[in-house]
Amino acid sequence: DGGITQSPKYLFRKEGQNVTLSCEQNLNHDAMYWYRQDPGQGLRLIYYSQIVNDFQKGDIAEGYSVSREKKESFPLTVTSAQKNPTAFYLCASTGVSSTDTQYFGPGTRLTVL
Amino acid sequence: QKEVEQNSGPLSVPEGAIASLNCTYSDRGSQSFFWYRQYSGKSPELIMFIYSNGDKEDGRFTAQLNKASQYVSLLIRDSQPSDSATYLCAVNAGNNRKLIWGLGTSLAVNP
Repeated sequence: DGGITQSPKYLFRKEGQNVTLSCEQNLNHDAMYWYRQDPGQGLRLIYYSQIVNDFQKGDIAEGYSVSREKKESFPLTVTSAQKNPTAFYLCASTGVSSTDTQYFGPGTRLTVL
Repeated sequence: QKEVEQNSGPLSVPEGAIASLNCTYSDRGSQSFFWYRQYSGKSPELIMFIYSNGDKEDGRFTAQLNKASQYVSLLIRDSQPSDSATYLCAVNAGNNRKLIWGLGTSLAVNP
């Protein structure tokens, strides 16, 4: 089955720790995105990547880092510099033939203890 | 600043009624318009997309686009309790393949 997987589903972090959220897709999509969603809030773009080895900051990139070494993978690291990281993190992707339609993974819920 | 606005709701309709969700956008150059449904605690899932002025129907869902007035709407006919969710409107942000998202409208369908 084609789709987007995110792991883990739930993640707990102590203050001062870096954590990495995984996002993998087998849809052969070239563009991938990371969003953050807070309770009652819309989606805010953290980073996006349109091709391998290239990525751009979104609206709230501070305290986050990404890499895009493979087309299928776009991991997000939440660093200790992110002061309020507790949120629902969503990964999405879109392909050239998808005309901007973004498809989402199931999400990772990060909680800082 | 390009914006997408939605009434946050909650919109409450009885089962079997038509639910009407509206979205306005600021960028006249936008070409692609999307409606996603998001259940509580889950990720958004695509319901429909529309590119051309007019109506587009898919089952119980109809998307309506009016570029002159810069609004896009979603009608849900014969609403079911399972339609209770938050509906997100998204609009493309030009050629950079980013979407601009509204904050969503919460819909409650009452049995």
